[in-house]
Amino acid sequence: DQQVKQNSPSLSVQEGRISILNCDYTNSMFDYFLWYKKYPAEGPTFLISISSIKDKNEDGRFTVFLNKSAKHLSLHIVPSQPGDSAVYFCAASAKDDMRFGAGTRLTVKP
Amino acid sequence: NAGVMQNPRHLVRRRGQEARLRCSPMKGHSHVYWYRQLPEEGLKFMVYLQKENIIDESGMPKERFSAEFPKEGPSILRIQQVVRGDSAAYFCASSPRSGRDTGELFFGEGSRLTVL
Repeated sequence: DQQVKQNSPSLSVQEGRISILNCDYTNSMFDYFLWYKKYPAEGPTFLISISSIKDKNEDGRFTVFLNKSAKHLSLHIVPSQPGDSAVYFCAASAKDDMRFGAGTRLTVKP
Repeated sequence: NAGVMQNPRHLVRRRGQEARLRCSPMKGHSHVYWYRQLPEEGLKFMVYLQKENIIDESGMPKERFSAEFPKEGPSILRIQQVVRGDSAAYFCASSPRSGRDTGELFFGEGSRLTVL
Protein backbone atom coordinates (compact mmCIF):
# COMPACT_ATOMS: atom_id res chain seq x y z
CA ASP A 1 0.00 0.00 0.00
CA GLN A 2 2.10 2.87 -1.28
CA GLN A 3 0.55 6.08 -0.11
CA VAL A 4 3.44 8.19 -1.32
CA LYS A 5 4.81 7.59 -4.78
CA GLN A 6 7.82 8.89 -6.58
CA ASN A 7 7.42 7.50 -10.06
CA SER A 8 10.81 8.52 -11.39
CA PRO A 9 13.58 6.41 -9.89
CA SER A 10 16.22 8.62 -11.45
CA LEU A 11 16.75 12.03 -12.99
CA SER A 12 19.78 13.50 -14.72
CA VAL A 13 20.23 17.23 -15.34
CA GLN A 14 22.99 19.54 -16.43
CA GLU A 15 24.67 21.82 -13.94
CA GLY A 16 22.95 25.20 -13.84
CA ARG A 17 19.64 23.88 -15.10
CA ILE A 18 16.49 23.26 -13.11
CA SER A 19 15.83 19.91 -11.42
CA ILE A 20 12.20 19.00 -10.85
CA LEU A 21 11.39 16.05 -8.64
CA ASN A 22 7.82 14.88 -8.39
CA CYS A 23 5.78 13.13 -5.74
CA ASP A 24 2.17 11.96 -5.59
CA TYR A 25 0.17 10.87 -2.58
CA THR A 26 -3.15 9.16 -2.10
CA ASN A 27 -4.13 9.86 1.50
CA SER A 28 -6.06 13.11 1.79
CA MET A 29 -5.39 13.14 5.53
CA PHE A 30 -1.75 14.08 4.96
CA ASP A 31 -1.27 17.66 6.00
CA TYR A 32 2.48 18.13 6.10
CA PHE A 33 4.97 17.30 3.40
CA LEU A 34 8.73 17.09 3.50
CA TRP A 35 11.70 16.40 1.28
CA TYR A 36 14.75 14.58 2.54
CA LYS A 37 18.08 14.23 0.83
CA LYS A 38 20.27 11.19 1.21
CA TYR A 39 23.91 10.65 0.27
CA PRO A 40 25.33 7.12 0.03
CA ALA A 41 26.15 5.53 3.41
CA GLU A 42 24.50 8.39 5.27
CA GLY A 43 21.11 8.87 6.86
CA PRO A 44 18.51 11.09 5.20
CA THR A 45 18.68 14.76 6.10
CA PHE A 46 15.79 17.16 6.12
CA LEU A 47 15.72 19.57 3.21
CA ILE A 48 12.48 21.51 3.04
CA SER A 49 8.85 21.15 4.05
CA ILE A 50 5.44 22.57 3.35
CA SER A 51 2.20 22.65 5.27
CA SER A 52 -1.05 21.82 3.51
CA ILE A 53 -2.30 25.36 4.06
CA LYS A 54 0.34 26.63 1.66
CA ASP A 55 1.02 25.95 -1.98
CA LYS A 56 4.63 27.06 -2.14
CA ASN A 57 7.63 27.25 0.14
CA GLU A 58 10.98 28.56 -0.94
CA ASP A 59 14.38 28.23 0.69
CA GLY A 60 17.28 29.45 -1.36
CA ARG A 61 17.68 27.29 -4.43
CA PHE A 62 14.97 24.91 -3.26
CA THR A 63 11.24 25.42 -3.75
CA VAL A 64 8.49 22.98 -2.92
CA PHE A 65 5.12 23.27 -4.62
CA LEU A 66 1.97 21.62 -3.35
CA ASN A 67 -1.15 20.98 -5.43
CA LYS A 68 -3.68 19.58 -2.98
CA SER A 69 -6.42 18.99 -5.51
CA ALA A 70 -4.08 16.83 -7.56
CA LYS A 71 -2.40 15.35 -4.45
CA HIS A 72 0.91 16.24 -5.98
CA LEU A 73 4.00 17.99 -4.81
CA SER A 74 7.24 18.81 -6.48
CA LEU A 75 10.70 19.96 -5.51
CA HIS A 76 12.46 22.46 -7.74
CA ILE A 77 16.18 23.00 -7.48
CA VAL A 78 17.56 25.89 -9.45
CA PRO A 79 20.29 26.25 -10.40
CA SER A 80 21.28 22.63 -9.93
CA GLN A 81 24.79 21.92 -8.70
CA PRO A 82 26.89 18.72 -8.81
CA GLY A 83 26.73 18.60 -5.00
CA ASP A 84 22.97 18.19 -5.26
CA SER A 85 23.51 14.69 -6.65
CA ALA A 86 21.81 12.43 -4.13
CA VAL A 87 18.64 10.44 -3.55
CA TYR A 88 15.65 12.60 -2.69
CA PHE A 89 12.81 11.19 -0.62
CA CYS A 90 9.40 12.74 -0.49
CA ALA A 91 7.53 12.29 2.81
CA ALA A 92 3.99 13.02 3.89
CA SER A 93 2.64 13.06 7.39
CA ALA A 94 -0.68 13.09 9.20
CA LYS A 95 -0.63 13.30 12.98
CA ASP A 96 1.72 10.50 14.02
CA ASP A 97 2.02 8.85 10.66
CA MET A 98 4.81 9.70 8.22
CA ARG A 99 5.21 7.86 4.94
CA PHE A 100 8.08 8.02 2.53
CA GLY A 101 8.31 7.57 -1.21
CA ALA A 102 10.80 5.22 -2.83
CA GLY A 103 13.16 8.04 -3.69
CA THR A 104 14.49 9.64 -6.86
CA ARG A 105 18.19 9.55 -7.60
CA LEU A 106 19.27 12.93 -8.94
CA THR A 107 22.50 13.23 -10.88
CA VAL A 108 23.72 16.70 -11.76
CA LYS A 109 26.35 16.63 -14.48
CA PRO A 110 29.06 19.28 -14.56
CA ASN B 1 26.20 18.12 20.06
CA ALA B 2 26.17 14.62 18.64
CA GLY B 3 23.52 13.61 16.17
CA VAL B 4 21.56 10.39 16.19
CA MET B 5 24.02 7.57 16.78
CA GLN B 6 23.41 4.10 15.46
CA ASN B 7 25.48 1.00 15.98
CA PRO B 8 26.67 -1.19 14.61
CA ARG B 9 26.95 0.42 11.20
CA HIS B 10 27.30 -3.00 9.61
CA LEU B 11 26.13 -6.31 10.98
CA VAL B 12 26.42 -9.73 9.40
CA ARG B 13 24.34 -12.59 10.71
CA ARG B 14 23.62 -16.13 9.62
CA ARG B 15 20.06 -17.31 9.19
CA GLY B 16 18.50 -18.12 12.55
CA GLN B 17 20.71 -15.81 14.59
CA GLU B 18 19.58 -12.69 16.39
CA ALA B 19 20.33 -9.13 15.36
CA ARG B 20 20.34 -6.19 17.77
CA LEU B 21 20.51 -2.67 16.45
CA ARG B 22 21.02 0.28 18.76
CA CYS B 23 20.03 3.88 18.46
CA SER B 24 20.92 6.78 20.71
CA PRO B 25 18.74 9.78 19.88
CA MET B 26 19.96 13.33 19.83
CA LYS B 27 20.33 14.95 23.22
CA GLY B 28 16.98 16.21 24.41
CA HIS B 29 14.98 14.05 22.01
CA SER B 30 12.50 11.68 23.57
CA HIS B 31 10.83 10.37 20.40
CA VAL B 32 12.44 7.62 18.37
CA TYR B 33 11.40 6.10 15.06
CA TRP B 34 12.74 3.09 13.22
CA TYR B 35 12.59 2.79 9.43
CA ARG B 36 13.73 0.03 7.11
CA GLN B 37 15.02 0.54 3.62
CA LEU B 38 15.05 -2.48 1.40
CA PRO B 39 17.16 -2.40 -1.78
CA GLU B 40 15.61 -0.15 -4.42
CA GLU B 41 12.78 0.81 -2.07
CA GLY B 42 11.94 3.81 0.04
CA LEU B 43 11.96 4.14 3.78
CA LYS B 44 9.30 1.99 5.40
CA PHE B 45 8.06 2.97 8.84
CA MET B 46 8.41 0.26 11.45
CA VAL B 47 7.85 1.64 14.93
CA TYR B 48 7.54 4.85 16.92
CA LEU B 49 8.58 4.92 20.56
CA GLN B 50 8.81 7.33 23.41
CA LYS B 51 10.70 6.60 26.59
CA GLU B 52 9.43 3.26 27.93
CA ASN B 53 6.43 3.30 25.59
CA ILE B 54 5.65 1.93 22.18
CA ILE B 55 3.35 4.46 20.55
CA ASP B 56 2.86 2.93 17.12
CA GLU B 57 4.21 -0.40 15.91
CA SER B 58 1.92 -0.76 12.93
CA GLY B 59 4.85 -1.14 10.55
CA MET B 60 6.56 -3.85 12.51
CA PRO B 61 6.28 -7.46 11.35
CA LYS B 62 4.19 -9.38 13.86
CA GLU B 63 6.80 -12.03 14.49
CA ARG B 64 10.50 -11.97 15.27
CA PHE B 65 10.74 -8.17 15.48
CA SER B 66 10.60 -6.14 18.68
CA ALA B 67 11.68 -2.70 19.78
CA GLU B 68 12.22 -0.94 23.05
CA PHE B 69 13.28 2.45 24.31
CA PRO B 70 14.11 2.07 27.99
CA LYS B 71 14.28 4.86 30.52
CA GLU B 72 18.04 4.65 30.43
CA GLY B 73 20.08 3.72 27.42
CA PRO B 74 19.54 3.50 23.69
CA SER B 75 16.57 2.29 21.76
CA ILE B 76 17.01 -1.26 20.52
CA LEU B 77 15.53 -2.95 17.51
CA ARG B 78 15.74 -6.70 17.91
CA ILE B 79 15.27 -9.23 15.15
CA GLN B 80 15.14 -12.85 16.20
CA GLN B 81 15.84 -15.80 13.93
CA VAL B 82 16.87 -13.61 11.05
CA VAL B 83 16.10 -14.62 7.47
CA ARG B 84 17.67 -13.40 4.23
CA GLY B 85 14.71 -11.11 3.61
CA ASP B 86 15.66 -9.12 6.72
CA SER B 87 18.77 -7.86 4.94
CA ALA B 88 18.27 -4.12 4.70
CA ALA B 89 19.40 -0.78 6.01
CA TYR B 90 17.69 0.12 9.26
CA PHE B 91 17.46 3.82 10.05
CA CYS B 92 16.65 5.37 13.36
CA ALA B 93 15.34 8.91 13.64
CA SER B 94 14.60 11.10 16.61
CA SER B 95 12.71 14.29 17.33
CA PRO B 96 12.18 16.42 20.42
CA ARG B 97 8.42 15.98 20.18
CA SER B 98 6.00 14.11 18.00
CA GLY B 99 7.99 15.12 14.96
CA ARG B 100 6.05 13.31 12.37
CA ASP B 101 3.15 15.69 12.51
CA THR B 102 5.11 18.90 12.73
CA GLY B 103 8.24 18.54 10.79
CA GLU B 104 11.59 17.06 10.52
CA LEU B 105 13.07 13.95 11.90
CA PHE B 106 16.78 13.67 12.50
CA PHE B 107 18.15 10.47 11.09
CA GLY B 108 21.12 8.37 12.06
CA GLU B 109 23.49 6.98 9.48
CA GLY B 110 21.78 3.62 9.50
CA SER B 111 22.71 0.06 10.35
CA ARG B 112 23.14 -2.25 7.42
CA LEU B 113 22.15 -5.82 8.21
CA THR B 114 23.29 -8.61 5.95
CA VAL B 115 21.91 -12.08 6.52
CA LEU B 116 23.95 -14.87 4.97
